Amino acid sequence: GESVGLHLPTLSVQEGDNSIINCAYSNSASDYFIWYKQESGKGPQFIIDIRSNMDKRQGQRVTVLLNKTVKHLSLQIAATQPGDSAVYFCAETSGYSTLTFGKGTMLLVSP
Amino acid sequence: DSGVTQTPKHLITATGQRVTLRCSPRSGDLSVYWYQQSLDQGLQFLIQYYNGEERAKGNILERFSAQQFPDLHSELNLSSLELGDSALYFCASSVEGGRAGDTQYFGPGTRLTVL
Repeated sequence: GESVGLHLPTLSVQEGDNSIINCAYSNSASDYFIWYKQESGKGPQFIIDIRSNMDKRQGQRVTVLLNKTVKHLSLQIAATQPGDSAVYFCAETSGYSTLTFGKGTMLLVSP
Repeated sequence: DSGVTQTPKHLITATGQRVTLRCSPRSGDLSVYWYQQSLDQGLQFLIQYYNGEERAKGNILERFSAQQFPDLHSELNLSSLELGDSALYFCASSVEGGRAGDTQYFGPGTRLTVL
């Protein structure tokens, strides 16, 4: 069953579309950011990370953008597939402090 | 599969009881983290251990405790359980102790239901 809240922001897209999931963070001292994907009934899965000395990083079908000026992080997923349906969390940390997770965004992909 | 294992997968118990959740980190990882995920609170950090020592503490109740053993596996003990403790409990591990770039990998979780 679902492992996250019922009132998450939800992004609904069609298969093949590009998806953009946004995250605002609050700690201006944060220097490391991670995106996790959580499928129903599973633990969060690492997708991609970025350090604060970068503003863009690309992976396989995913790109993370960091705008430190406005403390904003985004995850772009190219050619979204039904298997991408999940809850996506951003997380931030600074130095040796622990990760702080955002509330999450549910991505629903229709075939 | 992240390489982090957690047992049991499901746990159903009654209020007032005590339970122990177990976590084995990825091979080579020295740090273990515990998180609670409930419907209304999202992912909440509870506590971190590094090489057997407590490294950081988050929103962990006094009724909860944890430890990391010499073989690096960790246990989370939850006592005097209340209905509100029903949640998913995740363990994560990382190579070091949380510096930037030290990615945390999560286990599959233990679903605790308190009746």
